[in-house]
Amino acid sequence: KAGVTQTPRYLIKTRGQQVTLSCSPISGHRSVSWYQQTPGQGLQFLFEYFSETQRNKGNFPGRFSGRQFSNSRSEMNVSTLELGDSALYLCASSGTQGNTEAFFGQGTRLTVV
Amino acid sequence: AQSVTQPDIHITVSEGASLELRCNYSYGATPYLFWYVQSPGQGLQLLLKYFSGDTLVQGIKGFEAEFKRSQSSFNLRKPSVHWSDAAEYFCAVGPYTGNQFYFGTGTSLTVIP
Repeated sequence: KAGVTQTPRYLIKTRGQQVTLSCSPISGHRSVSWYQQTPGQGLQFLFEYFSETQRNKGNFPGRFSGRQFSNSRSEMNVSTLELGDSALYLCASSGTQGNTEAFFGQGTRLTVV
Repeated sequence: AQSVTQPDIHITVSEGASLELRCNYSYGATPYLFWYVQSPGQGLQLLLKYFSGDTLVQGIKGFEAEFKRSQSSFNLRKPSVHWSDAAEYFCAVGPYTGNQFYFGTGTSLTVIP
């Protein structure tokens, strides 16, 4: 079974630009979650999508958004980038709710300059 | 409120020595508990998980963890550390409202020869 695939692995963007990150979950998984990882804050939950619907959302500004497609692939978008958005963005896929764990991709390293 | 505390930010051990990484959690229901490991620039790999049953769980790479409900702890142990174990270790609890997981801030492990 293929794992969670995130693209691209690395990105460099300029302040004010917008960026889209992609995540393909494990085959059969319908839940995709996104986390932001920074040295100071650790892993912070952004949002979760399940069957194309946002099921849960963390405490991030509206500049952070996402969506999920019918094949469970998910995209995350950050608009009007700020320097503080520089982070490793991790995607995790999970099976049905309960008695399960999150399987993580290798992440997308976003640097905002 | 749900939270995970890893009191040790950084630990250094000698190769061949034993290891214990601490994790305390706060969770409103019966917790599902996890330990993940992260190598530099990589995603998170699941080491082990506790859902129910035997409170001592075995994981990959020779790791084990013990769930102690009375102490709200889920400490990770390894009898003999190898240089390749140097990495960041995260304790997590969940899932909560869907597939949201709460992570500790991580413990960085250095292994010296």
